[in-house]
Amino acid sequence: AQTVTQSQPEMSVQEAETVTLSCTYDTSESDYYLFWYKQPPSRQMILVIRQEAYKQQNATENRFSVNFQKAAKSFSLKISDSQLGDAAMYFCAYRPSGTYKYIFGTGTRLKVLA
Amino acid sequence: ETGVTQTPRHLVMGMTNKKSLKCEQHLGHNAMYWYKQSAKKPLELMFVYSLEERVENNSVPSRFSPECPNSSHLFLHLHTLQPEDSALYLCASSQGTVGWELFFGEGSRLTVL
Repeated sequence: AQTVTQSQPEMSVQEAETVTLSCTYDTSESDYYLFWYKQPPSRQMILVIRQEAYKQQNATENRFSVNFQKAAKSFSLKISDSQLGDAAMYFCAYRPSGTYKYIFGTGTRLKVLA
Repeated sequence: ETGVTQTPRHLVMGMTNKKSLKCEQHLGHNAMYWYKQSAKKPLELMFVYSLEERVENNSVPSRFSPECPNSSHLFLHLHTLQPEDSALYLCASSQGTVGWELFFGEGSRLTVL
């Protein structure tokens, strides 16, 4: 079965510091996409960053970067220079290529301390 | 309006009521989704429609009935629900399977008494 596991229900980080959120997934597919979504308290979920499995280079979007380890089926999110606005639930998601099945993890609640 | 809008934002209903959730997307996408979000659980994919045809149906109880009259609108009809159906119901859209990401609405918080 295809599953996504986020083992950290909650994380805290001091403002301006760096934090890493973990995600592992299980699949037998070779072509897929990985995503990190952010859900602030207002509840609308938005895309933070995405990664194509065939690309070896790790994706980066400003302060957000990923560490994609395909063999280990690991996809962690690093947030640098954390800001109060980064406080939210973060969901890791996986989608096999050519399908509509986005599979989500249980989420990690990130608290940013001033 | 832009993006994905869901109405109502909050809904309280009794177990014998019939109600509907509505979703509208203004992004020109051709696929729409219903997800159920419960605390401490992964988002559960309920239904996916592509070009108004249902393409995913994940063993959802028949008390949930989706309807997609066109590529911009998606409904979830609710009847004889159970208290365990209380959750946040999220609608999303994408540009088929080619598009990168899901675009979500803010959700409809459902409470079943």
